[in-house]
Amino acid sequence: DSGVTQTPKHLITATGQRVTLRCSPRSGDLSVYWYQQSLDQGLQFLIQYYNGEERAKGNILERFSAQQFPDLHSELNLSSLELGDSALYFCASSVAIRGSAGELFFGEGSRLTVL
Amino acid sequence: GENVEQHPSTLSVQEGDSAVIKCTYSDSASNYFPWYKQELGKGPQLIIDIRSNVGEKKDQRIAVTLNKTAKHFSLHITETQPEDSAVYFCAASKDSGNTPLVFGKGTRLSVIA
Repeated sequence: DSGVTQTPKHLITATGQRVTLRCSPRSGDLSVYWYQQSLDQGLQFLIQYYNGEERAKGNILERFSAQQFPDLHSELNLSSLELGDSALYFCASSVAIRGSAGELFFGEGSRLTVL
Repeated sequence: GENVEQHPSTLSVQEGDSAVIKCTYSDSASNYFPWYKQELGKGPQLIIDIRSNVGEKKDQRIAVTLNKTAKHFSLHITETQPEDSAVYFCAASKDSGNTPLVFGKGTRLSVIA
């Protein structure tokens, strides 16, 4: 158990809908990362928050947004969903501000299926 | 930005044999190279990492080598066991800037008993 909790584990929805994925980081970790994992693209970095502030942004679509709350949990909002958004979404946390500074602890992921 | 290429995408070995996975990176400023193992239904987990001031690092049956000049690094697993079957990801990052870990596309390793 990594200590990172993601909900829901599975989500099935229709095109055009909006969903929210939730992540609770390990106790004491200030950094939260969101990654998208699809079959052919591996782990694609979406966005990082550190202590409530956006720290780095990757290939995150404009239809997607995220935030980190004062209690350090994070939510990833996906709107106007398309079939191609079907993927496994991972949250990871770290005590450090930089990805090079130490281990990322991953949750078990939220599997999104868009029909 | 950084780009990490990983080969092969799939690898099958007999139990007891060695497995080697190779990665190349594009940003010469990258200085941190971790390897993550993802078991079925789980999130990736760090198994070993190396920094650019070191050429090789070993931890029991796994080792990582780094060639900064050629910008490539490799994961070596010796005496493979069925429980080594998983997807392995290499990654790269650097200390400067707001740079996250950039992952390769993964290698699915199957160890055949």
